[in-house]
Amino acid sequence: RKEVEQDPGPFNVPEGATVAFNCTYSNSASQSFFWYRQDCRKEPKLLMSVYSSGNEDGRFTAQLNRASQYISLLIRDSKLSDSATYLCVVNMGNYGGATNKLIFGTGTLLAVQP
Amino acid sequence: DTEVTQTPKHLVMGMTNKKSLKCEQHMGHRAMYWYKQKAKKPPELMFVYSYEKLSINESVPSRFSPECPNSSLLNLHLHALQPEDSALYLCASSQVGGTSYEQYFGPGTRLTVT
Repeated sequence: RKEVEQDPGPFNVPEGATVAFNCTYSNSASQSFFWYRQDCRKEPKLLMSVYSSGNEDGRFTAQLNRASQYISLLIRDSKLSDSATYLCVVNMGNYGGATNKLIFGTGTLLAVQP
Repeated sequence: DTEVTQTPKHLVMGMTNKKSLKCEQHMGHRAMYWYKQKAKKPPELMFVYSYEKLSINESVPSRFSPECPNSSLLNLHLHALQPEDSALYLCASSQVGGTSYEQYFGPGTRLTVT
């Protein structure tokens, strides 16, 4: 089983749609969780950290279910500019000393259509 | 300011060349990372420096040699690379310790080995 699994997509949605991405992780000792966004041929950019209580930032809502080892990202009112690959990222905790190791999912490609 | 800079943006080198990639951050982060990313794949961790000391080497071939001259700079020295080493090389930085510290990525160096 992969450490972090995501549906690779692509998700093709019309502008204004609501779209949800899901991610599962295998290591129950995982410490923290993030969603990154990566545009074609660009670097990953942090979109949101994910907290147990769930968190929202504008049109974006992230949820964490530790019991099910499941993370989600909801995007409401999709914009053309939301088209990108969304990477689910899990921090495995203390690794090799004081630093932490991020495990990346393979990413989910979102294409928002006009 | 969450900026990590990398130079050069693009690099083409022959298999007998020696070149270096440079990364700089001024966020006061004491952990810095090198990742390699192939097309349509997530980033793969190569090296981690913590307080200017190498703390993680993910079994990277010796033709890649990292260096951290000070807390703001990270270099990756390249020698005798193979065509399969062609990829996007990403630098990232973060705070040290804890479990919720986000990593911030530079724009990457797109390397082509001929």
